[in-house]
Amino acid sequence: NAGVMQNPRHLVRRRGQEARLRCSPMKGHSHVYWYRQLPEEGLKFMVYLQKENIIDESGMPKERFSAEFPKEGPSILRIQQVVRGDSAAYFCASSPVQNQPQHFGDGTRLSIL
Amino acid sequence: GESVGLHLPTLSVQEGDNSIINCAYSNSASDYFIWYKQESGKGPQFIIDIRSNMDKRQGQRVTVLLNKTVKHLSLQIAATQPGDSAVYFCAEKASGTYKYIFGTGTRLKVLA
Repeated sequence: NAGVMQNPRHLVRRRGQEARLRCSPMKGHSHVYWYRQLPEEGLKFMVYLQKENIIDESGMPKERFSAEFPKEGPSILRIQQVVRGDSAAYFCASSPVQNQPQHFGDGTRLSIL
Repeated sequence: GESVGLHLPTLSVQEGDNSIINCAYSNSASDYFIWYKQESGKGPQFIIDIRSNMDKRQGQRVTVLLNKTVKHLSLQIAATQPGDSAVYFCAEKASGTYKYIFGTGTRLKVLA
């Protein structure tokens, strides 16, 4: 039973480019959560999605960031016009229902040149 | 002993000793708590959880204690092994919400 899969594991972008981070939840999980982690810090909630719906995006910057979880395919976190401050590890988690523990992928490490 | 590093507090223990990692949570409305282990380059891994109607829960080699009066959570690891070296995070969630609030983490170093 495969866990949460994130790709790419490492992503390098130049300032002003777009970054697309993908997350395939565990089989049977329809709840997806995105978090951001800076070095030596805890994880900060960004957005919570169910299939085709954004439930809570209160932790996500209003500009340049967007997330989706289509009916078919992985969840996508998209960052447009990246800046140096976007450099971080981005983790995706999934759960079968809201009140069950979230299972995490191994993250995408985004570096902005 | 315990020391404060650049960002993460660090707990160093001898192999075979018991470890106790502490966490002060912020929201008195939180009713569900999880301990996660994060190894370098990996995502957080679920260790054990506890609901607010309990004050103690045991797993394999791990015990979580919850003191709601002082909003304190602890993780006890028995007979600590080198493979236990990692950063440990507590996470809290309030009833009716889906947002987990993560603590800043504690780095556990196991000395041979």
